[in-house]
Amino acid sequence: EVQLLESGGGLVQPGGSLRLSCAAAGFSFNSYAMTWVRQAPGKGLEWVSTISGSAGSTFYADSVRGRFATSRDNSKNTVYLQMNSLRADDTALYYCARVSAVAGDFASWGQGTLVTVSS
Amino acid sequence: DIQMTQFPSSLSASVGDRVTITCRASQNIRNSLNWYQQTPGRKPKLLIYAASSLQSGVPSRFSGTGSGSDFTLTISSLQPEDFATYYCQQSHSPQYTFGQGTKLEIK
Repeated sequence: EVQLLESGGGLVQPGGSLRLSCAAAGFSFNSYAMTWVRQAPGKGLEWVSTISGSAGSTFYADSVRGRFATSRDNSKNTVYLQMNSLRADDTALYYCARVSAVAGDFASWGQGTLVTVSS
Repeated sequence: DIQMTQFPSSLSASVGDRVTITCRASQNIRNSLNWYQQTPGRKPKLLIYAASSLQSGVPSRFSGTGSGSDFTLTISSLQPEDFATYYCQQSHSPQYTFGQGTKLEIK
């Protein structure tokens, strides 16, 4: 069974930094791209970033490019989202998900970790 | 980036109704279109991938059609547990994008 567990969320001041982690289990981690999706309170889903299985490629939404960085440690089956220069509009529940190699869909999701950016 | 537009943004329907939700891409994405269902307080659930393939375990009343830039999700006979928000997502470009969502409410 695929398991994804996010951690690292919390309250941070505007301009601050936070690093989220997503620990994976139940599948061959280095064979799959992983993605981060966020959902602001009462809003829709917003794709944030994707990293390839080898970590050779990363992709970012325009709203976070230059501020966020995604990385992974395949020896620890963990993907990270380093968030810098945080703004109030980054407040959201952050999910990690596994990217299907066939269709690029997200069949497996974590429960999410909440990031609140406020002074 | 590829923009995804869903309509309607909200929809009221009754148990037993047939409903259709539409998703339009800003460019040709072939069949790289996925559909998700989300109920309040829950994580999203994949329903349909590659425009028309039913995810394992999803009831057959859900179906997806389309290719190119226009896609539809149909629920053939609404059940009480289907009242939720539905999102499309394109996977043609690695800058994946979601539609803004369609909230399906009980009439």
